[in-house]
Amino acid sequence: AAGVIQSPRHLIKEKRETATLKCYPIPRHDTVYWYQQGPGQDPQFLISFYEKMQSDKGSIPDRFSAQQFSDYHSELNMSSLELGDSALYFCASSLALETGGRETQYFGPGTRLLVL
Amino acid sequence: DAKTTQPNSMESNEEEPVHLPCNHSTISGTDYIHWYRQLPSQGPEYVIHGLTSNVNNRMASLAIAEDRKSSTLILHRATLRDAAVYYCILNNNDMRFGAGTRLTVKP
Repeated sequence: AAGVIQSPRHLIKEKRETATLKCYPIPRHDTVYWYQQGPGQDPQFLISFYEKMQSDKGSIPDRFSAQQFSDYHSELNMSSLELGDSALYFCASSLALETGGRETQYFGPGTRLLVL
Repeated sequence: DAKTTQPNSMESNEEEPVHLPCNHSTISGTDYIHWYRQLPSQGPEYVIHGLTSNVNNRMASLAIAEDRKSSTLILHRATLRDAAVYYCILNNNDMRFGAGTRLTVKP
């Protein structure tokens, strides 16, 4: 079965540079979520999109932005990178259900970002 | 936001059952209880979820207290591949990971 695809899998950037992470959800999934996981930490929710509209916002820095496109893939844009942005970035997708809260999120393998 | 409380770590012997507890005393009536796990160097993986009744699937069982203020994830026979961080999450249109339980399985 098709899974969530993230690219690139690894990324090395310098401080103050920009980075773009891509996420391709499972076919027919309409909701995408982004998470950040620092070293030794638990995943932290950043932002989510449903049908190309932002549906929820977590602890996403103002330097980051994201969007979901018409083909449902999503991109996380990160500017003015800081050393503390070094982390694993996971994307997850789900299919929205009438009864909210039941959706199962399927996670991608993550993008490992290293900021030097 | 409704929060969950889990033990930081637990140990189990291989082939034995494991009961992973979770307290969620501020759960609302519409919150589903989800369990995910994260194996080393991998993304989180869905395990099971429920609302009020106990649930079983091929991976695990979920026992939900009658007042819904706590739940227990049951792995019937732990294997070495079950070693992971297990997260109990309340999901009502959003999902927030708290500090999970790191399960160690000893051979």
